[in-house]
Amino acid sequence: EVVMTQSPLSLPVTLGQSASISCRSSQSLVQSSGNTYLSWFQQRPGQSPRRLIYKVSIRDYGVPDRFSGSGSGTDFTLKITRVEAEDVGVYFCLQGSQWPPVFGGGTKVDI
Amino acid sequence: ELQLVESGGGLVQPGGSLRLSCAASGLRFGSFPMAWVRQVPEKGLEWVANIDEDGREKYYVDSLKGRFTISRDNSKNSVDLQMNNLRGEDTAVYYCADVGCRYWGQGILVTVSS
Repeated sequence: EVVMTQSPLSLPVTLGQSASISCRSSQSLVQSSGNTYLSWFQQRPGQSPRRLIYKVSIRDYGVPDRFSGSGSGTDFTLKITRVEAEDVGVYFCLQGSQWPPVFGGGTKVDI
Repeated sequence: ELQLVESGGGLVQPGGSLRLSCAASGLRFGSFPMAWVRQVPEKGLEWVANIDEDGREKYYVDSLKGRFTISRDNSKNSVDLQMNNLRGEDTAVYYCADVGCRYWGQGILVTVSS
């Protein structure tokens, strides 16, 4: 089973500044097809997770362009530029390239 | 958009059974492979099981094989999770989602305790 390691566990941020979250997988997430199924999610307090990014860097519809995903192979990053108060929550990565899908442990972002 | 609403959660004793249901509306449900994902309160997310569009292929995480069964009824736009021989460590919020995790339900709490 792929192990997904997220860092940091907690990320205090300043409004208007940038923040980065790292997600590392224990094995390459590149499939033989060339696709990499790495997604990022935001979970606000008391809410269900919301997908922000899929296939490493594709933003979901309605997600602000302040959110961006990058990376390849085993190292991936979610970057939030110009952090806003509504960005507070826990962020998870998810690998779907190998069975079983595995989530990262989460990064708590607060102001 | 696909709207998902879970039901059937609650308190159950260890060794007991519970059946969760997820009702879907909106987009064509039968075109979506579906999954159940759980989250231990204040902890992380864990994939439970998923099922393909027509219900023929089912996949379970190894630790839950034999106790949980996923099924779907496309005529009723629903996907279920039958949970047997429940243990304390199964206590969690259970989410219904499409396999791509684009769409999520609101979650339903299952508490296993005597």
